[in-house]
Amino acid sequence: EDKVVQSPLSLVVHEGDTVTLNCSYEVTNFRSLLWYKQEKKAPTFLFMLTSSGIEKKSGRLSSILDKKELFSILNITATQTGDSAIYLCAVSMDSSYKLIFGSGTRLLVRP
Amino acid sequence: NAGVTQTPKFQVLKTGQSMTLQCAQDMNHNSMYWYRQDPGMGLRLIYYSASEGTTDKGEVPNGYNVSRLNKREFSLRLESAAPSQTSVYFCASSIKGGYNEQFFGPGTRLTVL
Repeated sequence: EDKVVQSPLSLVVHEGDTVTLNCSYEVTNFRSLLWYKQEKKAPTFLFMLTSSGIEKKSGRLSSILDKKELFSILNITATQTGDSAIYLCAVSMDSSYKLIFGSGTRLLVRP
Repeated sequence: NAGVTQTPKFQVLKTGQSMTLQCAQDMNHNSMYWYRQDPGMGLRLIYYSASEGTTDKGEVPNGYNVSRLNKREFSLRLESAAPSQTSVYFCASSIKGGYNEQFFGPGTRLTVL
């Protein structure tokens, strides 16, 4: 069965801390891994990763994929209260229109 | 551009009632999706439409039907609502295929009493 597992389930940090969120997967015919941020409403896209070892970066957020060990990490440096959200990881497969989502990591950044 | 829009935003139903959730996108995307999100379970795919004129089941299709009315619109129908269908429902669209970025609507919070 295809599955995506995220850890930790929740995390509380203080502003300025650095956090690492984990996503591991077991799917057939992997194509890409996507990260989304969900605040109060709809998930918004952060990154899509298809190749191992190539870091994607956007401001204080960065992500990398390891296709050999079947996982990805999302790093957030110098966290701010606005980073408080649920971070979702999803995986797509060749010849499929589906995304398989993990259950998410709930991040709370305290002032 | 409005992106992906959904109506209604909130709905309360009694067990056995029916309703249709509406979704529209103005990005000329080919593929559209319906998900439900329950606490601690992430997003689960109910149905999807790879392109206009086609629909397929996702992980949790039981109790739902869909219609791809045209390229822009994709509706989700609950024929006889059950309390287990209490959830937040998201519609999404992508250019083509799940491996492209999916854009999500604002969601519909549905409560079935």
